[in-house]
Amino acid sequence: EAGVAQSPRYKIIEKRQSVAFWCNPISGHATLYWYQQILGQGPKLLIQFQNNGVVDDSQLPKDRFSAERLKGVDSTLKIQPAKLEDSAVYLCASNAPRGGLSDEQFFGPGTRLTVL
Amino acid sequence: AQSVAQPEDQVNVAEGNPLTVKCTYSVSGNPYLFWYVQYPNRGLQFLLKYITGDNLVKGSYGFEAEFNKSQTSFHLKKPSALVSDSALYFCAVRSYASGGSYIPTFGRGTSLIVHP
Repeated sequence: EAGVAQSPRYKIIEKRQSVAFWCNPISGHATLYWYQQILGQGPKLLIQFQNNGVVDDSQLPKDRFSAERLKGVDSTLKIQPAKLEDSAVYLCASNAPRGGLSDEQFFGPGTRLTVL
Repeated sequence: AQSVAQPEDQVNVAEGNPLTVKCTYSVSGNPYLFWYVQYPNRGLQFLLKYITGDNLVKGSYGFEAEFNKSQTSFHLKKPSALVSDSALYFCAVRSYASGGSYIPTFGRGTSLIVHP
């Protein structure tokens, strides 16, 4: 089966610019996650969707970050405006159909963002 | 709040020798524990998980992990290391958190280097 797809793979922008990342999860996976992975740290959950509804966005900096999952399939994460500290790899992951706590996540290759 | 600690930034081992990558956790409820591996420029890949039952769980590529409730640990092990095992390893936990959330929490990662 096809894996989690993300684009672009790399993005370089200047601070105060806007950027958007796209994710297409594995077909049939109801739960979708966006993570931020700063160099030298583990992934940090930004937002979790179940179908097209938000399950948890408590760690999403809502003043500048937004995410949507229209139609419950692919998703877009946006940063507007970007700051230097947003430089990181943004990972998208999805869960097996049940999307439960005990299910492992399947990760995409990530988008490496550099903010200058 | 739940947390995961990986006390070693780097583990060095000779090929053919046994390896251990350490992980300890702190949660308020019953934990669901996971190990993931990350190769350069790629997303995380699932290795194994502990949900309930036997404290020794076996996973992909010959890896296994032992759940120790009294020590709140979930160390990753392999009897005989391969050079191809060199990668970044992440421990993760999910459990009930205050406010009703189940945010996946990752450790900061341990770089495993297997020398020929």
